[in-house]
Amino acid sequence: GQNIDQPTEMTATEGAIVQINCTYQTSGFNGLFWYQQHAGEAPTFLSYNVLDGLEEKGRFSSFLSRSKGYSYLLLKELQMKDSASYLCAALDSNYQLIWGAGTKLIIKP
Amino acid sequence: IAGITQAPTSQILAAGRRMTLRCTQDMRHNAMYWYRQDLGLGLRLIHYSNTAGTTGKGEVPDGYSVSRANTDDFPLTLASAVPSQTSVYFCASSDSADSGNEQFFGPGTRLTVL
Repeated sequence: GQNIDQPTEMTATEGAIVQINCTYQTSGFNGLFWYQQHAGEAPTFLSYNVLDGLEEKGRFSSFLSRSKGYSYLLLKELQMKDSASYLCAALDSNYQLIWGAGTKLIIKP
Repeated sequence: IAGITQAPTSQILAAGRRMTLRCTQDMRHNAMYWYRQDLGLGLRLIHYSNTAGTTGKGEVPDGYSVSRANTDDFPLTLASAVPSQTSVYFCASSDSADSGNEQFFGPGTRLTVL
């Protein structure tokens, strides 16, 4: 079956760095997405990786290892507004997104 | 309109009633999707449409139907609502279905079936 695993909840301190991991098993693979979702709001796009390696976009970076079925999202210089859920989703062979349950990130001052 | 809109924002519905959730996008995206989001679970695809005039079943299609008469609109209908359909429903769109294009999400509809 198809499966996405990510931690349920993480806590970090304002100004610090946090890494949110995601492992995936899908029927075929056409890339890995990360979305941010604030409580009560819609998900918004953060990143897309289809090739191995690190993609950096400001304070956020995303890494992919296709051979290991593994990705992580790295958030630097954490701000209180980064408190949100972070959703990992893999694009399968039918180009349908398989979603993880999300990681709730709590930022403490 | 800018982006993707959904209506209503929230609804309380008696079991057995029929309900249509509306979704409209103005980005001229070819692909549209309906998801439900339940606590502790990932977003689950209900139905999708790769282009106007075509629709397909997702992971959890039972009890739901959709239509795609034009590019902009993608309504989701619950023919006879049941309590297990209590959820937050998100509509999304993307430029095309067969690539790594990001999906843009509407604000969601919170539906409670009693």
